[in-house]
Amino acid sequence: EAGVAQSPRYKIIEKRQSVAFWCNPISGHATLYWYQQILGQGPKLLIQFQNNGVVDDSQLPKDRFSAERLKGVDSTLKIQPAKLEDSAVYLCASSLLTGDGYTFGSGTRLTVV
Amino acid sequence: QQQVKQSPQSLIVQKGGISIINCAYENTAFDYFPWYQQFPGKGPALLIAIRPDVSEKKEGRFTISFNKSAKQFSLHIMDSQPGDSATYFCAASINFGNEKLTFGTGTRLTIIP
Repeated sequence: EAGVAQSPRYKIIEKRQSVAFWCNPISGHATLYWYQQILGQGPKLLIQFQNNGVVDDSQLPKDRFSAERLKGVDSTLKIQPAKLEDSAVYLCASSLLTGDGYTFGSGTRLTVV
Repeated sequence: QQQVKQSPQSLIVQKGGISIINCAYENTAFDYFPWYQQFPGKGPALLIAIRPDVSEKKEGRFTISFNKSAKQFSLHIMDSQPGDSATYFCAASINFGNEKLTFGTGTRLTIIP
Protein backbone atom coordinates (compact mmCIF):
# COMPACT_ATOMS: atom_id res chain seq x y z
CA GLU A 1 0.00 0.00 0.00
CA ALA A 2 1.23 3.50 -0.74
CA GLY A 3 2.39 5.49 2.28
CA VAL A 4 1.46 8.94 3.51
CA ALA A 5 2.60 11.50 0.95
CA GLN A 6 3.77 14.96 1.98
CA SER A 7 5.05 17.92 0.04
CA PRO A 8 7.21 19.87 -0.17
CA ARG A 9 10.08 18.04 1.52
CA TYR A 10 11.90 21.22 2.42
CA LYS A 11 10.91 24.87 2.66
CA ILE A 12 12.90 27.94 3.64
CA ILE A 13 11.00 31.19 4.20
CA GLU A 14 11.60 34.52 5.87
CA LYS A 15 9.77 35.37 9.09
CA ARG A 16 6.35 36.94 8.57
CA GLN A 17 5.91 35.11 5.25
CA SER A 18 3.24 32.45 4.77
CA VAL A 19 3.70 28.79 3.91
CA ALA A 20 1.49 25.79 3.20
CA PHE A 21 2.09 22.06 3.49
CA TRP A 22 0.14 19.30 1.78
CA CYS A 23 -0.64 15.76 2.92
CA ASN A 24 -2.27 12.82 1.17
CA PRO A 25 -3.04 10.02 3.65
CA ILE A 26 -3.24 6.30 3.02
CA SER A 27 -6.38 5.45 1.09
CA GLY A 28 -9.23 4.57 3.40
CA HIS A 29 -7.67 6.06 6.53
CA ALA A 30 -10.34 8.18 8.16
CA THR A 31 -8.13 9.80 10.77
CA LEU A 32 -5.45 12.33 9.84
CA TYR A 33 -3.02 14.09 12.15
CA TRP A 34 -0.56 16.95 11.83
CA TYR A 35 2.37 16.88 14.24
CA GLN A 36 5.15 19.40 14.78
CA GLN A 37 8.61 18.00 15.58
CA ILE A 38 11.14 20.52 16.77
CA LEU A 39 14.76 19.39 16.48
CA GLY A 40 15.71 17.10 19.36
CA GLN A 41 12.14 16.68 20.60
CA GLY A 42 9.30 14.25 20.17
CA PRO A 43 6.43 15.09 17.81
CA LYS A 44 3.64 17.22 19.26
CA LEU A 45 0.08 17.07 17.96
CA LEU A 46 -1.20 20.18 16.21
CA ILE A 47 -4.54 18.93 14.91
CA GLN A 48 -6.51 15.70 14.45
CA PHE A 49 -9.19 15.19 11.79
CA GLN A 50 -11.79 12.45 11.66
CA ASN A 51 -12.90 12.37 8.02
CA ASN A 52 -13.25 16.12 7.35
CA GLY A 53 -14.18 17.13 10.89
CA VAL A 54 -11.79 18.45 13.55
CA VAL A 55 -11.46 16.19 16.61
CA ASP A 56 -8.69 17.98 18.50
CA ASP A 57 -7.03 21.30 17.72
CA SER A 58 -6.33 22.33 21.30
CA GLN A 59 -2.58 22.75 20.67
CA LEU A 60 -2.87 24.52 17.33
CA PRO A 61 -1.75 28.19 17.54
CA LYS A 62 -4.89 29.42 15.85
CA ASP A 63 -3.70 33.00 15.50
CA ARG A 64 -1.22 31.86 12.86
CA PHE A 65 -1.87 28.21 12.00
CA SER A 66 -4.82 26.84 10.07
CA ALA A 67 -5.62 23.44 8.62
CA GLU A 68 -8.33 21.92 6.52
CA ARG A 69 -9.22 18.53 5.18
CA LEU A 70 -11.52 18.84 2.21
CA LYS A 71 -13.69 15.84 1.29
CA GLY A 72 -12.09 13.83 4.08
CA VAL A 73 -8.98 12.97 2.07
CA ASP A 74 -6.11 15.43 1.43
CA SER A 75 -5.17 18.02 4.00
CA THR A 76 -3.28 21.30 4.02
CA LEU A 77 -1.62 23.04 6.95
CA LYS A 78 -0.90 26.75 6.66
CA ILE A 79 1.21 29.13 8.72
CA GLN A 80 0.64 32.86 8.33
CA PRO A 81 2.69 34.75 9.39
CA ALA A 82 5.62 32.47 10.23
CA LYS A 83 7.87 33.04 13.23
CA LEU A 84 11.42 31.85 13.83
CA GLU A 85 10.18 29.35 16.43
CA ASP A 86 8.05 27.63 13.76
CA SER A 87 11.21 26.06 12.35
CA ALA A 88 10.52 22.34 12.65
CA VAL A 89 9.54 19.22 10.76
CA TYR A 90 5.81 19.03 10.11
CA LEU A 91 4.65 15.44 10.06
CA CYS A 92 1.38 14.16 8.71
CA ALA A 93 0.07 10.79 9.84
CA SER A 94 -3.02 8.75 9.17
CA SER A 95 -4.70 5.75 10.76
CA LEU A 96 -7.72 3.51 10.65
CA LEU A 97 -10.05 3.58 13.61
CA THR A 98 -8.73 0.30 14.96
CA GLY A 99 -5.96 1.76 17.08
CA ASP A 100 -3.32 -0.29 15.33
CA GLY A 101 -0.89 2.55 14.96
CA TYR A 102 -0.29 5.54 12.83
CA THR A 103 1.61 5.70 9.57
CA PHE A 104 3.68 8.85 9.33
CA GLY A 105 4.85 10.61 6.21
CA SER A 106 8.46 11.72 5.83
CA GLY A 107 7.55 15.26 6.81
CA THR A 108 8.25 18.76 5.58
CA ARG A 109 11.28 20.46 7.08
CA LEU A 110 10.54 24.16 7.53
CA THR A 111 13.27 26.67 8.20
CA VAL A 112 12.22 30.23 9.06
CA VAL A 113 15.02 32.79 8.73
CA GLN B 1 0.07 14.83 33.78
CA GLN B 2 0.11 14.42 30.02
CA GLN B 3 3.88 14.03 29.87
CA VAL B 4 5.79 10.90 29.01
CA LYS B 5 9.33 10.94 30.37
CA GLN B 6 11.97 9.02 28.43
CA SER B 7 15.53 8.06 29.29
CA PRO B 8 18.34 7.96 28.43
CA GLN B 9 18.66 10.79 25.93
CA SER B 10 21.40 8.89 24.09
CA LEU B 11 22.71 5.36 24.26
CA ILE B 12 25.74 3.59 22.81
CA VAL B 13 25.68 -0.20 22.69
CA GLN B 14 28.06 -2.72 21.21
CA LYS B 15 26.89 -4.93 18.40
CA GLY B 16 25.23 -8.01 19.83
CA GLY B 17 24.40 -6.31 23.12
CA ILE B 18 21.04 -5.43 24.67
CA SER B 19 19.69 -1.90 24.28
CA ILE B 20 17.25 -0.75 26.96
CA ILE B 21 15.19 2.44 26.82
CA ASN B 22 12.82 3.45 29.60
CA CYS B 23 9.67 5.55 29.79
CA ALA B 24 7.38 6.68 32.60
CA TYR B 25 3.96 8.27 32.53
CA GLU B 26 1.54 9.89 34.96
CA ASN B 27 -1.85 9.75 33.28
CA THR B 28 -3.55 6.51 34.32
CA ALA B 29 -6.06 6.95 31.48
CA PHE B 30 -3.37 5.99 28.95
CA ASP B 31 -4.19 2.56 27.54
CA TYR B 32 -1.95 2.21 24.51
CA PHE B 33 1.85 2.40 24.56
CA PRO B 34 3.70 2.24 21.23
CA TRP B 35 7.35 2.60 20.39
CA TYR B 36 8.42 4.37 17.23
CA GLN B 37 11.72 4.19 15.36
CA GLN B 38 12.89 7.20 13.37
CA PHE B 39 15.77 7.38 10.90
CA PRO B 40 17.20 10.74 9.78
CA GLY B 41 14.99 12.43 7.20
CA LYS B 42 12.13 9.98 7.75
CA GLY B 43 8.96 10.04 9.75
CA PRO B 44 8.60 7.82 12.84
CA ALA B 45 7.64 4.22 12.08
CA LEU B 46 5.69 2.02 14.47
CA LEU B 47 7.95 -0.65 15.92
CA ILE B 48 5.88 -2.41 18.55
CA ALA B 49 2.99 -1.51 20.86
CA ILE B 50 1.43 -2.83 24.05
CA ARG B 51 -1.83 -2.45 25.96
CA PRO B 52 -1.90 -2.52 29.77
CA ASP B 53 -3.64 -5.90 30.04
CA VAL B 54 -0.30 -7.66 29.41
CA SER B 55 3.10 -7.20 31.06
CA GLU B 56 5.27 -8.09 28.09
CA LYS B 57 5.10 -8.25 24.32
CA LYS B 58 7.80 -9.62 22.06
CA GLU B 59 8.25 -9.24 18.32
CA GLY B 60 11.48 -10.66 16.99
CA ARG B 61 14.40 -8.95 18.72
CA PHE B 62 12.15 -6.22 20.21
CA THR B 63 10.38 -6.59 23.55
CA ILE B 64 8.20 -4.18 25.51
CA SER B 65 8.06 -4.67 29.26
CA PHE B 66 5.14 -2.95 31.00
CA ASN B 67 4.73 -2.27 34.73
CA LYS B 68 1.26 -0.87 35.33
CA SER B 69 1.67 -0.26 39.06
CA ALA B 70 4.90 1.69 38.54
CA LYS B 71 3.51 3.42 35.42
CA GLN B 72 6.63 2.52 33.51
CA PHE B 73 7.40 0.70 30.29
CA SER B 74 10.59 -0.10 28.49
CA LEU B 75 11.92 -1.26 25.14
CA HIS B 76 14.54 -3.98 24.98
CA ILE B 77 16.43 -4.63 21.75
CA MET B 78 18.21 -7.96 21.87
CA ASP B 79 21.28 -8.73 19.75
CA SER B 80 21.51 -5.06 18.74
CA GLN B 81 22.72 -4.46 15.18
CA PRO B 82 24.23 -1.40 13.46
CA GLY B 83 21.00 -1.11 11.44
CA ASP B 84 19.16 -0.46 14.70
CA SER B 85 20.98 2.86 15.04
CA ALA B 86 18.15 5.40 15.05
CA THR B 87 16.13 7.60 17.36
CA TYR B 88 13.48 5.79 19.39
CA PHE B 89 10.37 7.42 20.81
CA CYS B 90 7.99 5.99 23.34
CA ALA B 91 4.45 7.30 23.27
CA ALA B 92 1.12 6.91 25.00
CA SER B 93 -2.49 7.40 24.07
CA ILE B 94 -6.00 6.91 25.37
CA ASN B 95 -8.85 5.11 23.63
CA PHE B 96 -6.53 2.34 22.46
CA GLY B 97 -4.56 4.56 20.12
CA ASN B 98 -7.52 6.26 18.46
CA GLU B 99 -6.61 9.53 20.10
CA LYS B 100 -3.51 11.70 19.89
CA LEU B 101 -0.15 10.27 20.83
CA THR B 102 1.88 11.93 23.56
CA PHE B 103 5.53 11.31 22.73
CA GLY B 104 8.60 11.07 24.89
CA THR B 105 11.64 13.19 24.09
CA GLY B 106 13.47 10.46 22.21
CA THR B 107 16.60 8.33 22.62
CA ARG B 108 19.35 8.40 20.06
CA LEU B 109 20.70 4.85 19.86
CA THR B 110 24.08 4.11 18.31
CA ILE B 111 25.24 0.53 17.81
CA ILE B 112 29.01 0.25 17.45
CA PRO B 113 30.84 -2.73 15.88
